[in-house]
Amino acid sequence: ETGVTQTPRHLVMGMTNKKSLKCEQHLGHNAMYWYKQSAKKPLELMFVYSLEERVENNSVPSRFSPECPNSSHLFLHLHTLQPEDSALYLCASSQAIPSGGAAPDTQYFGPGTRLTVL
Amino acid sequence: GNSVTQMEGPVTLSEEAFLTINCTYTATGYPSLFWYVQYPGEGLQLLLKATKADDKGSNKGFEATYRKETTSFHLEKGSVQVSDSAVYFCALTMNSGGSNYKLTFGKGTLLTVNP
Repeated sequence: ETGVTQTPRHLVMGMTNKKSLKCEQHLGHNAMYWYKQSAKKPLELMFVYSLEERVENNSVPSRFSPECPNSSHLFLHLHTLQPEDSALYLCASSQAIPSGGAAPDTQYFGPGTRLTVL
Repeated sequence: GNSVTQMEGPVTLSEEAFLTINCTYTATGYPSLFWYVQYPGEGLQLLLKATKADDKGSNKGFEATYRKETTSFHLEKGSVQVSDSAVYFCALTMNSGGSNYKLTFGKGTLLTVNP
């Protein structure tokens, strides 16, 4: 148990559906992240939030829409997805986004949501 | 850009065997290096890290040494257990500039340890 929870753990949706993934961290961290883990590909960073402000949007299609209402919660809203979007979506959090040359903070990952798009 | 290359799996070992999972990196600058482990059905957990050349990270019997001259961070364990069966990811992040929160991962290596 890393202190980062994700719901649902599994999700099956059609291409016309709208759904949301939820992440909650109980670590008192200020930075949160969304990653995509596809088979046989490295983890891809999708979005990064620091103190509820987005600091990274890594060329992610607009059918993925993140929301960070407070530093403990992060959502990923999904709409009109494609089958190739099927993957494990991982949330992570860290103490902060390091400034300047500060050493990076450890990122703590949730268990992920296994998404299947039909 | 930065990249991480780790040995292709799967790796299958018997209990108490010696483990090495190779990891090399390419980076412009001086990265911090990490090994993460993902047990079945779970998210990634930090296993160990090293932030500068010649540092050795260690945890749960696993070790890895940051080798700047060979740009490597190979993971080793002297005697694996069945409970070590998991996917292992090598990763880096830069220590400076505006990107020191961005983890660059390798593709992962599946380790299976048989009794």
